[in-house]
Amino acid sequence: SQELEQSPQSLIVQEGKNLTINCTSSKTLYGLYWYKQKYGEGLIFLMMLQKGGEEKSHEKITAKLDEKKQQSSLHITASQPSHAGIYLCGARGLLMNYGGSQGNLIFGKGTKLSVKP
Amino acid sequence: NAGVTQTPKFQVLKTGQSMTLQCAQDMNHEYMSWYRQDPGMGLRLIHYSVGAGITDQGEVPNGYNVSRSTTEDFPLRLLSAAPSQTSVYFCASSKGLASYNEQFFGPGTRLTVL
Repeated sequence: SQELEQSPQSLIVQEGKNLTINCTSSKTLYGLYWYKQKYGEGLIFLMMLQKGGEEKSHEKITAKLDEKKQQSSLHITASQPSHAGIYLCGARGLLMNYGGSQGNLIFGKGTKLSVKP
Repeated sequence: NAGVTQTPKFQVLKTGQSMTLQCAQDMNHEYMSWYRQDPGMGLRLIHYSVGAGITDQGEVPNGYNVSRSTTEDFPLRLLSAAPSQTSVYFCASSKGLASYNEQFFGPGTRLTVL
């Protein structure tokens, strides 16, 4: 089965510093999703990457997809306390009975980000 | 649109009790799923449905039942709650299974089984 490995597991940065979170898949990626979760709350969709080499940005968050490496990175520039939370990457895996490149979302275990003011 | 809604937000059960977690979406999405989130384990798929009348098991289906009688609703049933089912449960939906479809999540249900 497909697995997603996120690194680091947790991260503490000083406000204003840049940081990168990585997500590596054990199998071919068919779409990579990034979500953010604040403690005790639901998942907030950040962005979705479809193609190798694709890069998307939203405010100070940039995500890239390296299809050859089966990896995605999430980069936050000039971090702020509002960026604190758990970042989860998700990828379409293979449904047991419905094969192909489509399927349910498989998630990494998350990266907990703390930003010190 | 309300998106994906879940009820209740919090629930405490005693071992052996049964209950149903409700999930509804108003986006006419075909695909719906249930995940549980546990510390250190990430999100794990319990059951999913690719359309009304069609359901299947995910990674951790034991102890849970689902049904999909309408496109909008996808309830999750715990027949005999166990402490191991203490978790946060998320319902999700998407237009289809293709990789370009965003998956929308509900706010979650925090369940404690004593």
